[in-house]
Amino acid sequence: KAGVTQTPRYLIKTRGQQVTLSCSPISGHRSVSWYQQTPGQGLQFLFEYFSETQRNKGNFPGRFSGRQFSNSRSEMNVSTLELGDSALYLCASSPGGQPEAFFGQGTRLTVV
Amino acid sequence: QKEVEQDPGPLSVPEGAIVSLNCTYSNSAFQYFMWYRQYSRKGPELLMYTYSSGNKEDGRFTAQVDKSSKYISLFIRDSQPSDSATYLCAMSNSNYQLIWGAGTKLIIKP
Repeated sequence: KAGVTQTPRYLIKTRGQQVTLSCSPISGHRSVSWYQQTPGQGLQFLFEYFSETQRNKGNFPGRFSGRQFSNSRSEMNVSTLELGDSALYLCASSPGGQPEAFFGQGTRLTVV
Repeated sequence: QKEVEQDPGPLSVPEGAIVSLNCTYSNSAFQYFMWYRQYSRKGPELLMYTYSSGNKEDGRFTAQVDKSSKYISLFIRDSQPSDSATYLCAMSNSNYQLIWGAGTKLIIKP
């Protein structure tokens, strides 16, 4: 079974730009969660989608948004990028109905 | 105070030693307890998953949950340099939303 696939793996953007990250979950998994990971703050929960609906949301500004498609693939968008948005963005998928989450390799975003 | 506390380390031990990694938590509603391993520049990988109290063993790894003390542990026997990584604990209640520890950086010296 293929794992969670995130694209792109690396990204460099300029302040003020916007960026879209993509996540393909494990086949059959209906829940997709997004996390931001930085050395200082650790893993911080952004949001979770289940069957195309946002089910939970973390404490991030409205510049961070996401969506999930009918095939469970998910995208995350960050608008008006700031230097502090530089981080590893991780996507995790779960079948739903259990707490185990399986992570992708992440997208490393650098904002310059 | 954070819901889940985990010492960030680093914890440095010689090869072959028994490693003990720990997390404490404050929310007595947590029922599911997980340990993840994360190598540098990679995503976290699920190592162990325990429901409620007790022990679970998988090869060189043993997870323990003590709900009365709100304390969980991960033991690694016969540690190897390849075990060098950051170990994250995570836990949740019945809503399955994971609450994470800060992660402990483990270094196994050959």
